[in-house]
Amino acid sequence: DGGITQSPKYLFRKEGQNVTLSCEQNLNHDAMYWYRQDPGQGLRLIYYSQIVNDFQKGDIAEGYSVSREKKESFPLTVTSAQKNPTAFYLCASKLLRDSGNTIYFGEGSWLTVV
Amino acid sequence: SQQGEEDPQALSIQEGENATMNCSYKTSINNLQWYRQNSGRGLVHLILIRSNEREKHSGRLRVTLDTSKKSSSLLITASRAADTASYFCATGGSGGGNKLTFGTGTQLKVEL
Repeated sequence: DGGITQSPKYLFRKEGQNVTLSCEQNLNHDAMYWYRQDPGQGLRLIYYSQIVNDFQKGDIAEGYSVSREKKESFPLTVTSAQKNPTAFYLCASKLLRDSGNTIYFGEGSWLTVV
Repeated sequence: SQQGEEDPQALSIQEGENATMNCSYKTSINNLQWYRQNSGRGLVHLILIRSNEREKHSGRLRVTLDTSKKSSSLLITASRAADTASYFCATGGSGGGNKLTFGTGTQLKVEL
């Protein structure tokens, strides 16, 4: 099946740890995105990438890092510098030729600090 | 920064009634989209309206766009319990980056 796969669905992080959230897509989409969603809130853009080996900061990039070594993969690392990481993280992707700008989402990953 | 703001934040209606949600945004846009999110899940695209369109329909969904007021509305007719979800508007700006900026969402509850 084509789609966007995020893993793990649930992740617990201890204070001071770095954790990495995986995002893989087999849609042959060019652009990929990471959003953060706090309970009852909208989505805020963390990082995005339009091509391999290139990415840009979004609105709340501090404390996060990404890589885009392959077109289909865009992992997000939540570093210890992110002081309030407990949230729902959503990965998305888009075909740049799509003039409608529609993006497609994975099912999300819950990160909790313990 | 949040581009769009939905109104109301929460809406509770009876099955069969219509639900109307509004979205306001701040800067010029190429298009505006509405997404749906079931609790704890990813977002699903519902409908897109371009800046040169005023109204668009898709099944039980009707979207309007008023660029002079920088606002859009989403109407769900004959609502069903399965429509219970959060609804977000998202705007694609005229700038680069192919980014979408999402509003704060309306939580819709449709009761039997």
